[in-house]
Amino acid sequence: DAGVIQSPRHEVTEMGQEVTLRCKPISGHDYLFWYRQTMMRGLELLIYFNNNVPIDDSGMPEDRFSAKMPNASFSTLKIQPSEPRDSAVYFCASSLGGYNSPLHFGNGTRLTVT
Amino acid sequence: AQSVSQHNHHVILSEAASLELGCNYSYGGTVNLFWYVQYPGQHLQLLLKYFSGDPLVKGIKGFEAEFIKSKFSFNLRKPSVQWSDTAEYFCAVRNYGGSQGNLIFGKGTKLSVKP
Repeated sequence: DAGVIQSPRHEVTEMGQEVTLRCKPISGHDYLFWYRQTMMRGLELLIYFNNNVPIDDSGMPEDRFSAKMPNASFSTLKIQPSEPRDSAVYFCASSLGGYNSPLHFGNGTRLTVT
Repeated sequence: AQSVSQHNHHVILSEAASLELGCNYSYGGTVNLFWYVQYPGQHLQLLLKYFSGDPLVKGIKGFEAEFIKSKFSFNLRKPSVQWSDTAEYFCAVRNYGGSQGNLIFGKGTKLSVKP
């Protein structure tokens, strides 16, 4: 079991550029989550999917953020245009089944927007 | 709205000292409670969870947590810490029967254990 795989591990970009973060969940898991971690706000849920369908995107900060899950093994989180305040660690997590199941997190992508 | 408070931002202990990390939540109904741990450079992983039954929950690596409903608390404990316990610890809460997306995390407590 390879675990949840995120890429890239680190991303440094300039303000205004488009940023795409990628996630491969654990095979067979039917829930996928995107979290953002900052010192000020801690871990915040941005959006989550069930069977590739977005269920709740109320945590997405604004229209500059979008997420897709075209199939069960891949998801992207896109920021366009990026801003310095988007600098954070972005985690992807997956789980199998309903609320009894723990989340399995990826190693995160550390995004720096200058 | 639910919230989770972890009162200690950074705790520094010597090896063999006892550990207690505080976690309080605000929610009037039945809850599921979790502790996750993030070792340096690694991903978050589940340490232990409480759903129902015995309020004293045992987790991996000698950790335990006690759910005290009257105090809305779920403190994490370990009788004797090791240097390898250096990590960041996150408490999380979800309303009972709530969806996976309703999991609310605290801001985390960083634990540094001096050898």
